[in-house]
Amino acid sequence: DIQMTQSPASLSASVGDRVTITCRASQSISTYLNWYQQKPGKAPKLLMYTASTLQSGVPSRFSGSGSGTDFTLTISSLQPEDFATYYCQQSDSAPRTFGQGTKLEIK
Amino acid sequence: QVQLVQSGAEVKKPGASVKVSCKASGYTFTSYDINWVRQATGQGLEWMGWMNPYSGRTVYAPKFQDRVTMTRDTSVSTAYMEVSSLRSEDTAVYYCARGLTRVAALDYWGQGTLVTVSS
Repeated sequence: DIQMTQSPASLSASVGDRVTITCRASQSISTYLNWYQQKPGKAPKLLMYTASTLQSGVPSRFSGSGSGTDFTLTISSLQPEDFATYYCQQSDSAPRTFGQGTKLEIK
Repeated sequence: QVQLVQSGAEVKKPGASVKVSCKASGYTFTSYDINWVRQATGQGLEWMGWMNPYSGRTVYAPKFQDRVTMTRDTSVSTAYMEVSSLRSEDTAVYYCARGLTRVAALDYWGQGTLVTVSS
């Protein structure tokens, strides 16, 4: 199985900050990397797929980059609605594993 | 609009089975894979497997290979996931999610079904 490791596990930031979350795969996954946002009690929401393609309706302050084994999700200017948990997922091969999550909290 | 509507919460005893349904609407059911993901309380997301509703082909995560069965009824645009030999650690919210063609990202999700396993 491909292991996905996110860092940091948690992050405190303020509205307006720029934040970056990192996801590392245990082997190359090309650009088959997806990012999700989850708020408490809700289903996850797709933010980004194939590492850098913004899902329809997602604000442009979200961006993604990377290929191979190292990927990043960046939020350019945090908004109050962005405080949530973020997960990466590889869709290169089954099982399509998720990272353990990064909880983004208000400072 | 695309919707995935799941069946309601279940309480089961250890050793029993549970079958969760996921009814799709707003798109052609047979054109997109259905994935199943679960999440224990306070924990992360765990991918369980996917099914191609057109062919019925399934791929399961090795962890669930022996206890999970994914099926579908195309006449009612509904996918099903059955978990057998339930144990307490199967207590979780189970989600179905549609997979984008070729890239397999999960673009629409059901609301989740809480399955509680308790004696």
